[in-house]
Amino acid sequence: EVQLVESGGGLIQPGGSLRLSCAGSEFSVTNTYMSWVRQAPGKGLEWVAVIYSGGETYYADSVKGRFAVSRDNSKNTLYLQMNSLRDEDAAVYYCANLAKNALHLWGQGTMVAVSP
Amino acid sequence: DIQLTQSPSSLSASVGDRVTLTCRASQTIINYLNWYQQKPGRAPKLLIYTASNLQSGVPSRFSGSGSGTDFTLTISSLQPEDFATYYCQQSFSNPTWTFGQGTKVEIK
Repeated sequence: EVQLVESGGGLIQPGGSLRLSCAGSEFSVTNTYMSWVRQAPGKGLEWVAVIYSGGETYYADSVKGRFAVSRDNSKNTLYLQMNSLRDEDAAVYYCANLAKNALHLWGQGTMVAVSP
Repeated sequence: DIQLTQSPSSLSASVGDRVTLTCRASQTIINYLNWYQQKPGRAPKLLIYTASNLQSGVPSRFSGSGSGTDFTLTISSLQPEDFATYYCQQSFSNPTWTFGQGTKVEIK
């Protein structure tokens, strides 16, 4: 089955770091545009970051300088390195494939909780 | 930054009703507007891309229209599985995208 599977979420203290993973199953995350989107508890969707097929990355202002997107082609996995975490970063994080200017294939999400 | 405003924020409707949701952009986005459906505890699902293109596998009762700043998502005959929250999203301002705040469709 074609799917994206996120992992790596958990409870982290403010100021801490966490790395999320997004593995492709029967889907290549390596030569395509991939995005991260998050959703705080009870809130709407917020675009976080994108990585283009050539490796260029772009970030929302709210995470710029703290988050970094990368991927490991050998593992067919996308990553989101999150540093200097804040209370407001608590959310479910989704990875999604970007095609035809839309997010077509989504993972199931992984939850990040930020608390002392 | 381009802002998207969805209306209404929520609505109550009955099975079989025709439902129209609206998304207004703060500036023209041509037709770079997508619609997603999200059910509680689930990931969003793409319904419509570039304003009016039905995503593969999505029932034909869903349709999208609009251009410039005003867009609509119409469900021609609401089904029980359509009760969910719907989000619009603009992809005009590549690479930084924005979502609307969502419209929750509830059972009357």
